[in-house]
Amino acid sequence: SQQGEEDPQALSIQEGENATMNCSYKTSINNLQWYRQNSGRGLVHLILIRSNEREKHSGRLRVTLDTSKKSSSLLITASRAADTASYFCATGLNSGGSNYKLTFGKGTLLTVNP
Amino acid sequence: GAGVSQSPSNKVTEKGKDVELRCDPISGHTALYWYRQSLGQGLEFLIYFQGNSAPDKSGLPSDRFSAERTGGSVSTLTIQRTQQEDSAVYLCASSWDRGELFFGEGSRLTVL
Repeated sequence: SQQGEEDPQALSIQEGENATMNCSYKTSINNLQWYRQNSGRGLVHLILIRSNEREKHSGRLRVTLDTSKKSSSLLITASRAADTASYFCATGLNSGGSNYKLTFGKGTLLTVNP
Repeated sequence: GAGVSQSPSNKVTEKGKDVELRCDPISGHTALYWYRQSLGQGLEFLIYFQGNSAPDKSGLPSDRFSAERTGGSVSTLTIQRTQQEDSAVYLCASSWDRGELFFGEGSRLTVL
């Protein structure tokens, strides 16, 4: 089963608006990461936030993490048509011994209309 | 190369045939992951290698699926007796331990 679940499944906005995507997860984590995917091929890492961090910024991206609610949000400010893509959250979890599993949600499809 | 390389990029095969998918990770990365993504879906975890530790195979969907990583570098995912439901994009990623993942462009498998 998926550890992280993104919400909404799809989001359509106008260029210049902000886009907010949410991620909820079920168990304690080591870190949470956000990725972007274009055209159903390889994913690109956007940002990593550790379990002891609450907020992180990178350019037009802002990520928050609330471990008490087991949720995270990704905010893209001043969106551009080129931001159109699927966005995934991934939760990092120790799965025993030295093993570590990074599991992904089903993603949010963001469409930014020019 | 500088990134994760996967081959073949596209593979069409007949039901019942075996296929091998190859992943060349970024040099020096200790961790290597295989994921599967069906059309319009999220990533399904298959297997994870970390250094010399025993791999986490908990995501492999059946015993027709196997993977190995030779010399801590190149990995091969093998699917025996392919079925139509195996059709998907198979994504490989590598990383330093517990760090960000660097993905290849994937191998698109179509089973007729």
